[in-house]
Amino acid sequence: GEDVEQSLFLSVREGDSSVINCTYTDSSSTYLYWYKQEPGAGLQLLTYIFSNMDMKQDQRLTVLLNKKDKHLSLRIADTQTGDSAIYFCAESRTSSASKIIFGSGTRLSIRP
Amino acid sequence: NAGVTQTPKFQVLKTGQSMTLQCAQDMNHNSMYWYRQDPGMGLRLIYYSASEGTTDKGEVPNGYNVSRLNKREFSLRLESAAPSQTSVYFCASTRSDRGVTGELFFGEGSRLTVL
Repeated sequence: GEDVEQSLFLSVREGDSSVINCTYTDSSSTYLYWYKQEPGAGLQLLTYIFSNMDMKQDQRLTVLLNKKDKHLSLRIADTQTGDSAIYFCAESRTSSASKIIFGSGTRLSIRP
Repeated sequence: NAGVTQTPKFQVLKTGQSMTLQCAQDMNHNSMYWYRQDPGMGLRLIYYSASEGTTDKGEVPNGYNVSRLNKREFSLRLESAAPSQTSVYFCASTRSDRGVTGELFFGEGSRLTVL
């Protein structure tokens, strides 16, 4: 079945760039998402990309999609302490929210 | 603007006890969802309600029941709690299950421990 995999932890120095990686197995994935979960809170959609796109940029966030390798990455430029959170990669074949498959999340910690 | 509100935030149960998690949203969304989050695993869908009056099973429905009470409220019931149901439960909603982007709005979570 479909699967989404991420590394569990990432530690980055404040001011550096963070790159969070994700691989997925479903070649029919059409919608790919990054959600952010801050401590004690629910998930919040950060950004999404359609499978017909290679890249999407939104201020400090850059999403790269390598469809051939089924690899998705989220780059956070100039990482700040407020970026400390768990980042979830997710994918879906359709825009139907009930079909979204979530990864296990990457916990990003920021070193001073 | 409260968004998605879940109660209770914390609960400890004994094996075999029952309880209901409540969820309400004030965004006039049609679709609502219950997920569970376990360490090292992604969110897994328990049940969802694409619209008022309908409910459907997700990936892990066993041991749970749901009720879509009205457009705003969607409750999750554990009839006979088991230790395997120890988890953090999230309620979420979206305008439509077949929306353009599939963006979900989440509550803050309910941490349930079954002893």
